[in-house]
Amino acid sequence: DAMVIQNPRYQVTQFGKPVTLSCSQTLNHNVMYWYQQKSSQAPKLLFHYYDKDFNNEADTPDNFQSRRPNTSFCFLDIRSPGLGDAAMYLCATSRDLGANTEAFFGQGTRLTVV
Amino acid sequence: AQKVTQAQTEISVVEKEDVTLDCVYETRDTTYYLFWYKQPPSGELVFLIRRNSFDEQNEISGRYSWNFQKSTSSFNFTITASQVVDSAVYFCALSRAEYGNKLVFGAGTILRVKS
Repeated sequence: DAMVIQNPRYQVTQFGKPVTLSCSQTLNHNVMYWYQQKSSQAPKLLFHYYDKDFNNEADTPDNFQSRRPNTSFCFLDIRSPGLGDAAMYLCATSRDLGANTEAFFGQGTRLTVV
Repeated sequence: AQKVTQAQTEISVVEKEDVTLDCVYETRDTTYYLFWYKQPPSGELVFLIRRNSFDEQNEISGRYSWNFQKSTSSFNFTITASQVVDSAVYFCALSRAEYGNKLVFGAGTILRVKS
């Protein structure tokens, strides 16, 4: 059974139109992460939540925001998507921040901007 | 700054061949973690191994083995007797000790195993 679920798997949005990607987890993990993976590139961490504490990576554009209303759900909001934001967006969870706990990834949402 | 280099963009092998995927890393930390993940066509990243910087013992798990050498900052991954199901993108990753799951990934190596 999937433990980290991302919806939808594929999302098409218009240039400049706000879009929200969803991630849910059944693991009751404290930490949730969002990674951006552009075509043929490595995943790149955008931000993470430790419980309700939001932590932005220094080079994450302001266009990207996140919400975590409860332990199970985390959302990625792209306020004004540009063509360069087309990518696979991966959600991950871990029990803790330390590397002694494994990170579990969802299947990703592939975002297309038209 | 942390950096992971996977010089092999794509490797093609025939089933049953052995294949080694290279990973070289850079970090100023004395304590850090190294990882390998597999990304099949379905998209999710599948955890394969985690190694901390103080444990240089090589590890074998079935057909998979990993060679960690601090002296050359390398953490190479070998698949013995490759199978078609091994076809995927493989990522090497690095993290700091205190933020062990904030991963810095290499660019990935596409492995194609042909029958």
